[in-house]
Amino acid sequence: DGGITQSPKYLFRKEGQNVTLSCEQNLNHDAMYWYRQDPGQGLRLIYYSQIVNDFQKGDIAEGYSVSREKKESFPLTVTSAQKNPTAFYLCASSIVDVGRNTGELFFGEGSRLTVL
Amino acid sequence: DAKTTQPPSMDCAEGRAANLPCNHSTISGNEYVYWYRQIHSQGPQYIIHGLKNNETNEMASLIITEDRKSSTLILPHATLRDTAVYYCIVPDTGGFKTIFGAGTRLFVKA
Repeated sequence: DGGITQSPKYLFRKEGQNVTLSCEQNLNHDAMYWYRQDPGQGLRLIYYSQIVNDFQKGDIAEGYSVSREKKESFPLTVTSAQKNPTAFYLCASSIVDVGRNTGELFFGEGSRLTVL
Repeated sequence: DAKTTQPPSMDCAEGRAANLPCNHSTISGNEYVYWYRQIHSQGPQYIIHGLKNNETNEMASLIITEDRKSSTLILPHATLRDTAVYYCIVPDTGGFKTIFGAGTRLFVKA
């Protein structure tokens, strides 16, 4: 079945360590996104990519990095520069529709990162 | 900042219609309204979207006012499984910065 797969589902890391979250989609979508969600809060946009080999910062990009070498993959690295990395991370994808710009977002099940 | 305003929480009795309001007074003529919901600890799920006409699908109905400054998501027969956070979204035109506010937490009670 088509969809978005995020891994790992749960991740623990020590302070000062970088960690990479995986996001893979087989929906043939051009656009991909990373969001962060803190308890009781909405989603905040970290990075997004409209096309392979191109990406833009969202509202809270500091301390994060991404790459988009393949259409189906958009990994997120949480670096040691991110001061409060403990959060729920959500990856999404969408078509790029000239008339509607993005269409609906399809989300993965999320990765919960805890920094010890 | 989110381009929409929603009440933080609402209650609904099981089997009754749940009507979730959303204000989007700054919406422009070619911007769509999207609704998503998020069940605890899962990724958000798309529900429905519309431009200016009312829309209905197997999950819900979307009523958009004539001036497009507000809309209402209707779950016709709410069940306990509809307890979730519901987000009303107006994505940026020409961009990809879809912003999610805090949404409305709907509690469906038996």
